Amino acid sequence: LAKTTQPISMDSYEGQEVNITCSHNNIATNDYITWYQQFPSQGPRFIIQGYKTKVTNEVASLFIPADRKSSTLSLPRVSLSDTAVYYCLVGDGNAGNNRKLIWGLGTSLAVNP
Amino acid sequence: DTAVSQTPKYLVTQMGNDKSIKCEQNLGHDTMYWYKQDSKKFLKIMFSYNNKELIINETVPNRFSPKSPDKAHLNLHINSLELGDSAVYFCASSQEGHTGNTIYFGEGSWLTVV
Repeated sequence: LAKTTQPISMDSYEGQEVNITCSHNNIATNDYITWYQQFPSQGPRFIIQGYKTKVTNEVASLFIPADRKSSTLSLPRVSLSDTAVYYCLVGDGNAGNNRKLIWGLGTSLAVNP
Repeated sequence: DTAVSQTPKYLVTQMGNDKSIKCEQNLGHDTMYWYKQDSKKFLKIMFSYNNKELIINETVPNRFSPKSPDKAHLNLHINSLELGDSAVYFCASSQEGHTGNTIYFGEGSWLTVV
């Protein structure tokens, strides 16, 4: 079974860049890597998705090395409202034709004034 | 317009009762899910349906029974509730047929068993 590992928590200050790395060995070769954000009392919501190299949208950037064994979510100039839990999600490379999604345990990011 | 809506948002009930949580998505997605999130924030998939057919059934007690009357609805019925069932239950949906994993979640249903 593929496994994901990400830091349990991180602290930052407003205006800083925050990088959260998720390690994911043995992910499905044809599957994307996706990151979600969850605020208290809400469901997780999609932030960014990528397959390899670098992806950037209006919210974040996602860096994926060639071996795809990890990915780094980069949040530029965080604000207090970025305080949330961030999850990485990958497909299990061991699942064969039965596509299985593997969620990380989440990184709780606290942005301080 | 709410993409994935689930009701009720809060539910407090006694042990041994039977309860249901309803879910509807208006995104036209083929796949719907039920997730359970415990107090440690761990997201665990319970069930997945594709076009009304069960495709994922994780190790969940058979007191939990999903029902999908059509591909836009996936309800969760729980029999003989136990204290350990207290958690947040999220309904979600996605469009399969591609390798991306963009899943849309509902706002969650907070279940407390007393």
